Amino acid sequence: DIQMTQSPSSLSASVGDRVTITCRASQGISRWLAWYQQKPETAPKSLIYAASSLQSGVPSRFSGTGSGTDFTLTISSLQPEDFATYYCQQYNSYPRTFGGGTKVEIK
Amino acid sequence: EVQLLESGGGLVQPGGSLRLSCAASGFTFSSSTMGWVRQAPGKGLEWVSVITGSGGNTYYADSVKGRFTISRDNSKNTLYLQMNSLRVEDTAVYYCAKDTPQGGSFDYWGQGTLVTVSS
Repeated sequence: DIQMTQSPSSLSASVGDRVTITCRASQGISRWLAWYQQKPETAPKSLIYAASSLQSGVPSRFSGTGSGTDFTLTISSLQPEDFATYYCQQYNSYPRTFGGGTKVEIK
Repeated sequence: EVQLLESGGGLVQPGGSLRLSCAASGFTFSSSTMGWVRQAPGKGLEWVSVITGSGGNTYYADSVKGRFTISRDNSKNTLYLQMNSLRVEDTAVYYCAKDTPQGGSFDYWGQGTLVTVSS
């Protein structure tokens, strides 16, 4: 199975900050990577698929880069509604696997 | 508008069984790969299973293989997860989710249904 490792596991940031989250795959997954946002007590929301394609309706301050084993999710200017937990997921092969999550908290 | 509505969660004893359902609307269900993802209390997301649109192909996480069965009824626009031989560690919120048209990631999620396995 492909293991997905996210870092950091949590971070504190202020409104307006630029935030970067990384996700590393245990083997190459081309660009078959998605990012999700989850707020407490709610279902996850899709942000990005194919490493860098934004889902419809997702603000342009979110962006994704990477291929192979190393990927990043960047929030260019953190907004109050962005405080949440973010997960990466590979879909290069089954079983699809998620990273452990990165919690973005208010500084 | 895409809607996914899970049901069937509840309290069950270890070794017991439960069947989850997910009623879908707002898209062409029979053309969409569908899946289940779970989240144990206070933990991260865990991919559980997916089934292709025709139902011809199914895939499972190692942790549930041989105990859980995913299925669908395209005439009823409904996805199922039959869970047998339940363990305490299966306790989680179970989300139903729809694959993107491109395939592989999930673009819509249900609100989740809680399964508690406890004696």
